Amino acid sequence: ELKVEQNPLFLSMQEGKNYTIYCNYSTTSDRLYWYRQDPGKSLESLFVLLSNGAVKQEGRLMASLDTKARLSTLHITAAVHDLSATYFCAVDPSGTYKYIFGTGTRLKVLA
Amino acid sequence: GAVVSQHPSRVICKSGTSVKIECRSLDFQATTMFWYRQFPKKSLMLMATSNEGSKATYEQGVEKDKFLINHASLTLSTLTVTSAHPEDSSFYICSASLAGVSYEQYFGPGTRLTVT
Repeated sequence: ELKVEQNPLFLSMQEGKNYTIYCNYSTTSDRLYWYRQDPGKSLESLFVLLSNGAVKQEGRLMASLDTKARLSTLHITAAVHDLSATYFCAVDPSGTYKYIFGTGTRLKVLA
Repeated sequence: GAVVSQHPSRVICKSGTSVKIECRSLDFQATTMFWYRQFPKKSLMLMATSNEGSKATYEQGVEKDKFLINHASLTLSTLTVTSAHPEDSSFYICSASLAGVSYEQYFGPGTRLTVT
């Protein structure tokens, strides 16, 4: 069974702190996607990682992909309240065009 | 670019009735569209994949007679929830992609269905 697991599921952190969200997957894939979801809203695309070793940064968020370890990380630097949301990773198993979503990480940044 | 719309954004219907949700790709032609379901505080679950002009492929455990999917054109897919029951209440999100050209999916804003 294909599994995409995120760790932690819940994260409460102080503003200004750093933290990393992990996304482990059990299938072969060279492509991984990170999304943000605000309550009651759909998905906002954050990062598209298309190869082993890919690293992308946007503002306080940085994502990386290690396809050999089947692991992606989403690193948060100096968190601010506006980053409070649920973050999902999604894996595109090779050749299927389908996404398998991770369990999600609910992030709350405390002022 | 790559904008996907859904209509309606919210719908309330009575048990036993059917409701149709539309998913449109506004500025590109989508060879493949996907339908997801999301329960509160849960992840997205893929329901089905639809390719233009052919029958949808449903994921295991999804009732194809309850969730009718039609992908009549390269810009429109519809999901009809037939004989809706309260347990069908959920957030339904569609996505569209240019399968064969790109693996990336572009997501719609979602439709909140409440069955009373």
